[in-house]
Amino acid sequence: GAGVSQSPSNKVTEKGKDVELRCDPISGHTALYWYRQRLGQGLEFLIYFQGNSAPDKSGLPSDRFSAERTGESVSTLTIQRTQQEDSAVYLCASSRYSGTPYNEQFFGPGTRLTVL
Amino acid sequence: KNEVEQSPQNLTAQEGEFITINCSYSVGISALHWLQQHPGGGIVSLFMLSSGKKKHGRLIATINIQEKHSSLHITASHPRDSAVYICAVRHGGAQKLVFGQGTRLTINP
Repeated sequence: GAGVSQSPSNKVTEKGKDVELRCDPISGHTALYWYRQRLGQGLEFLIYFQGNSAPDKSGLPSDRFSAERTGESVSTLTIQRTQQEDSAVYLCASSRYSGTPYNEQFFGPGTRLTVL
Repeated sequence: KNEVEQSPQNLTAQEGEFITINCSYSVGISALHWLQQHPGGGIVSLFMLSSGKKKHGRLIATINIQEKHSSLHITASHPRDSAVYICAVRHGGAQKLVFGQGTRLTINP
């Protein structure tokens, strides 16, 4: 079956523009996660969805960042008024929600965002 | 100090060598994950563990809850094992992962 897909794979934008990044999780996976990886740095958690609600959005770095999920499927991460420090690879992952910490996360290929 | 510390940051070895990557964490956890990030950027989950030891092929992961420490071992290493290996932890019932900085492993033929 298909894995987690993300689009676009690469996005170059100018400072101040808004961008939307898309994630299509594995079918049937109710949990969805967004992470960020800046160049040369480790992964950072951004937000977690269970179904269409986001019980943990503690990692969103500012109010310029928002995310939504519809139909317990596709999710969109929106960054408004992009800044150069937003340049990073944005990774999406999904998992079956089992109510325990032991559910494996499956990662997408990521979207590389470059803000000029 | 990061909550999750990995060592070494970089490791270069010859094909066939036994590899050990270490992960220490400062706060009690409910689960620990080892991930592999390929040079192209793709991330694959290798192990999830909360106690003891797990083995998959040439990979072995161990965890000592009392010492807040985990190790990832690779036996008979091969150049295709070259990747960044990432340790990540979960706390309590939280779903989010807290990541270490990763260990870049290079296996030379």
